[in-house]
Amino acid sequence: SQQGEEDPQALSIQEGENATMNCSYKTSINNLQWYRQNSGRGLVHLILIRSNEREKHSGRLRVTLDTSKKSSSLLITASRAADTASYFCATDRSGANSKLTFGKGITLSVRP
Amino acid sequence: DTGVSQNPRHKITKRGQNVTFRCDPISEHNRLYWYRQTLGQGPEFLTYFQNEAQLEKSRLLSDRFSAERPKGSFSTLEIQRTEQGDSAMYLCASSPKARLTDTQYFGPGTRLTVL
Repeated sequence: SQQGEEDPQALSIQEGENATMNCSYKTSINNLQWYRQNSGRGLVHLILIRSNEREKHSGRLRVTLDTSKKSSSLLITASRAADTASYFCATDRSGANSKLTFGKGITLSVRP
Repeated sequence: DTGVSQNPRHKITKRGQNVTFRCDPISEHNRLYWYRQTLGQGPEFLTYFQNEAQLEKSRLLSDRFSAERPKGSFSTLEIQRTEQGDSAMYLCASSPKARLTDTQYFGPGTRLTVL
């Protein structure tokens, strides 16, 4: 079963704007990861945040984690048309042998 | 290219036929995972290996599915007597020895269509 729920399900923004995507989960985790998937392709790892971290940055990406609320957010700043893709959060649950549990994903469209 | 590779990339088969997919993980990654992704959904875990040992199987993996990793390097996923409900993208991922912060690196997937 899928643990994570991303919201919104779809997001459409203008190039240059920021995109914020949220993820909620249900059980304790070791870490939470965000992946990007272009249509019909494999998943590309974006960023990993550990359960004892609250915020992490990587280039134009900023991810936060609130374990008390069991939620995470991914912010993409200064979006580009090439950021158009589906974004998934995935949790590595405590005691789950590092298998990932994914949400249903968010479809991001960045209009040029 | 040192990433995870999967073959074939696309497979079209008729219902009732057997199919086999192959995954070559990143060299020296000892953990290998198989996931299945249907349209509009996130990937769902199927099974994983640490070296050649299959340590966990999802209940999604019916007895028509079998996976092997005979020498702890590449892995195969076989589906026997395929059904239309097996149509999906089958994704393979690998990661180095387990730690709390291991990233899983995914291959491009094999898209299966069962007619």
